[in-house]
Amino acid sequence: AQSVTQPDIHITVSEGASLELRCNYSYGATPYLFWYVQSPGQGLQLLLKYFSGDTLVQGIKGFEAEFKRSQSSFNLRKPSVHWSDAAEYFCAVGAEVDGGSQGNLIFGKGTKLSVKP
Amino acid sequence: KAGVTQTPRYLIKTRGQQVTLSCSPISGHRSVSWYQQTPGQGLQFLFEYFSETQRNKGNFPGRFSGRQFSNSRSEMNVSTLELGDSALYLCASSLSHGYADTQYFGPGTRLTVL
Repeated sequence: AQSVTQPDIHITVSEGASLELRCNYSYGATPYLFWYVQSPGQGLQLLLKYFSGDTLVQGIKGFEAEFKRSQSSFNLRKPSVHWSDAAEYFCAVGAEVDGGSQGNLIFGKGTKLSVKP
Repeated sequence: KAGVTQTPRYLIKTRGQQVTLSCSPISGHRSVSWYQQTPGQGLQFLFEYFSETQRNKGNFPGRFSGRQFSNSRSEMNVSTLELGDSALYLCASSLSHGYADTQYFGPGTRLTVL
């Protein structure tokens, strides 16, 4: 069964520092991968997604992620964090159901990001 | 263009009651998915509706049900509420079935069961 692991529950970085949030997935075929962000009291917003092609994906708000098949990883990065980036970040993989049709998103447990001034 | 709206935003119920949550998708979107978010279990998929048909269902008991109307608005119902049903219920809409189209999430309905 497909699964997503986000090893870090909580990360604190200083404003202006670089950021990397880790995501590992378990999936047999080429996965559909996503990163979402959730601010307090808000729904989820898509940051970026990977379906195929270039393994380095650019997203909104200056985020990028790199798909590494050999490591089953899809880590999210940002070169310089802003205080407004403080939120919870979720990695997700698209599930396939019987017959290969697209199912639902399977989410990791999330990583909460705090930003120090 | 208006985003996904969910009503009500907050609900307090007691055990044994039932509850109905509503989700209005972005105009033109025909797929609505529902997720339950709790601190312990995280985000878990409930079900997806596309063109008034349930396309996928997560691993939840039959107390959880949903439907979609011809205007793509969706409702989910939880009967015989249990304390463990306390959660943030999120709905997401997309143009069509599956995750190839971006899913846009609403702000959620916070359900508290006492």
